[in-house]
Amino acid sequence: SYELTQPPSVSVSPGQTATITCSGDKLEKKYAYWYQHKPGQSPVLVVYQDTKRPSGIPERFSGSNSGNTATLTISGTQALDEADYYCQVWDSSTLYVFGTGTRVTVL
Amino acid sequence: QVQLLESGPGLVKPSETLSLTCALSGDSFRSYYWSWIRQPPGKGLQWIGYIYYSGDTSYNPSLESRVTISVDTSKNQFSLKMTSVTAADTAVYYCARLGGRSDSWFDPWGQGILVNVSS
Repeated sequence: SYELTQPPSVSVSPGQTATITCSGDKLEKKYAYWYQHKPGQSPVLVVYQDTKRPSGIPERFSGSNSGNTATLTISGTQALDEADYYCQVWDSSTLYVFGTGTRVTVL
Repeated sequence: QVQLLESGPGLVKPSETLSLTCALSGDSFRSYYWSWIRQPPGKGLQWIGYIYYSGDTSYNPSLESRVTISVDTSKNQFSLKMTSVTAADTAVYYCARLGGRSDSWFDPWGQGILVNVSS
């Protein structure tokens, strides 16, 4: 089965850049999607098809995908960006797969 | 604006069947696929399955033997049934819109409903 691995946690100072990685075999051959999940709320899509932002998502959220790693970058991180972030792909055998999740803490 | 709202019992006994419903407003069932996803306490997200308005379904291979998703277009809702539940099925269950049959994304999501499996 296909698996996606993320670092459990990332810490960032306000105004700095947070980088969240998602690793999987030949991940660059798949589209990566990213969700922001705050406690007590439902997940929100922040990046789709590797690099695209849904309407209403701030420009400070950006994505890339190369080799075995997809990356979500939050530029100029704000306190309200503190949340869990999950990557997601579609695999022909495992179907829809989520990453292990990364907690972003804004110190 | 698309809205999804989960409903169902918050407590289910071990070995029994978990039944949840997701009510859709502001959209048509025929345009998208519709999915269930869950999150056990302290753990990550797990895709359960999806359904199309025609009844076409697909399930997570690890859950397929216990899960059935059905749709009632006349009521604008779709449902999840999971049999023989155990404590490991305790989770927040979300319904979500899925853009396509493959290689797509979940947006938006319902608010989620916590289901505890306990005697």
